[in-house]
Amino acid sequence: QVQLQESGPGLVKPSGTLSLTCNVSGGSISTYYWSWIRQPPGKGLEWIGYIYYSGFTSYNPSLKSRVTISVDTSKNQFSLKLSSVTAADTAVYYCARRALTGYWYFDLWGRGTLVTVSS
Amino acid sequence: EIVLTQSPGTLSLSPGERATLACRASQSVGSTYLAWYQQKPGQAPRLLIYGASRRATGIPDRFSGSGSGTDFTLTLSRLEPEDFAVYYCQQYGSSPPGSFGQGTKLEIK
Repeated sequence: QVQLQESGPGLVKPSGTLSLTCNVSGGSISTYYWSWIRQPPGKGLEWIGYIYYSGFTSYNPSLKSRVTISVDTSKNQFSLKLSSVTAADTAVYYCARRALTGYWYFDLWGRGTLVTVSS
Repeated sequence: EIVLTQSPGTLSLSPGERATLACRASQSVGSTYLAWYQQKPGQAPRLLIYGASRRATGIPDRFSGSGSGTDFTLTLSRLEPEDFAVYYCQQYGSSPPGSFGQGTKLEIK
């Protein structure tokens, strides 16, 4: 079955850029919408943005100036870049798939990766 | 932006009991555009309910959802040991897709 796996550095320096990749295995990245969602330690979930396999994107307005999501269909993966990070960006970052029904809930999630922003 | 408020923050119950979790939206989410997720420590959220009342694939029928507009409820009819977790609601009726509630922790009494 389709699985998602996040990867990337677990430690990023303040003012640096956080870069993560989500690998989609067991199925094609095409035809679907893919999202990044984060969860600061002990806190709730925050949607970061999404990308369609064609490259169309949409971002959370609160993060829009710092976020870039891209897709590489040849590698069956999509990526997140978050610039000018601070300690407030410390979180577990999840990649997720929009539901196949076409509505904006998430029916498939990666296991998540913790990114700590610290010098 | 629609804000979701979940209550209670923590619910302490015993296995076998019935659990009722609430999710209230600051404005209508558009009828039934609401989902519920379960999250256990160290794990990703798992989709339980979508469309306010539709169970996701593989979810036991002891989980049920109800409500519309601004008030929604997740009910666990008879708690099993594996049900103790944090539960989140999420609305998807307005932009940005995916605003979540702050969560309800269901703990063993």
